[in-house]
Amino acid sequence: GQSLEQPSEVTAVEGAIVQINCTYQTSGFYGLSWYQQHDGGAPTFLSYNALDGLEETGRFSSFLSRSDSYGYLLLQELQMKDSASYFCPGSYGGSQGNLIFGKGTKLSVKP
Amino acid sequence: DSGVTQTPKHLITATGQRVTLRCSPRSGDLSVYWYQQSLDQGLQFLIQYYNGEERAKGNILERFSAQQFPDLHSELNLSSLELGDSALYFCASSREGLYNSPLHFGNGTRLTVT
Repeated sequence: GQSLEQPSEVTAVEGAIVQINCTYQTSGFYGLSWYQQHDGGAPTFLSYNALDGLEETGRFSSFLSRSDSYGYLLLQELQMKDSASYFCPGSYGGSQGNLIFGKGTKLSVKP
Repeated sequence: DSGVTQTPKHLITATGQRVTLRCSPRSGDLSVYWYQQSLDQGLQFLIQYYNGEERAKGNILERFSAQQFPDLHSELNLSSLELGDSALYFCASSREGLYNSPLHFGNGTRLTVT
């Protein structure tokens, strides 16, 4: 089956830049999504990468390298409200039904 | 607000019982997904429906079943409940259910089995 790896926890300070890495299995891979989830809240969609390169949306950017089976989420000008869990589910087999979220990365932003 | 509505928000029940969780997708979305989130297992995919038909199945137990109705709302039925079924259950919807369709999650139903 599909699997992914991302760090369980990351800590950074307000105003800094943080990168959350994600590696995934390549078999049947279509693209990589990123979702944010605050404690007790619903996951919300941040970005989707199907092609190599960087996608920028405001303070957040997402990168994909298909040759390295690797992606990352870059958060700039960190704010306290960015403290949340971040998931990088990969899409496999052409259907979102194969989105594997895993346990995510818990980001803690300190003042 | 994602536009996905889940009811109830909280549910407390005893072991051995059966419960039904309900989800109304965003207007226009044809695909509905169910996820289970517990502290030790993370966010786990259970099942996906597209326009009334089962599209994909994940780690859904045989005690659990789901369906999507003609009006596109969905229900997740959990029976013979065990303590380990206590979790947050999310419903999500997407326009087409294809790989590049973002999922829009509801606020979840928190199930506590005592």
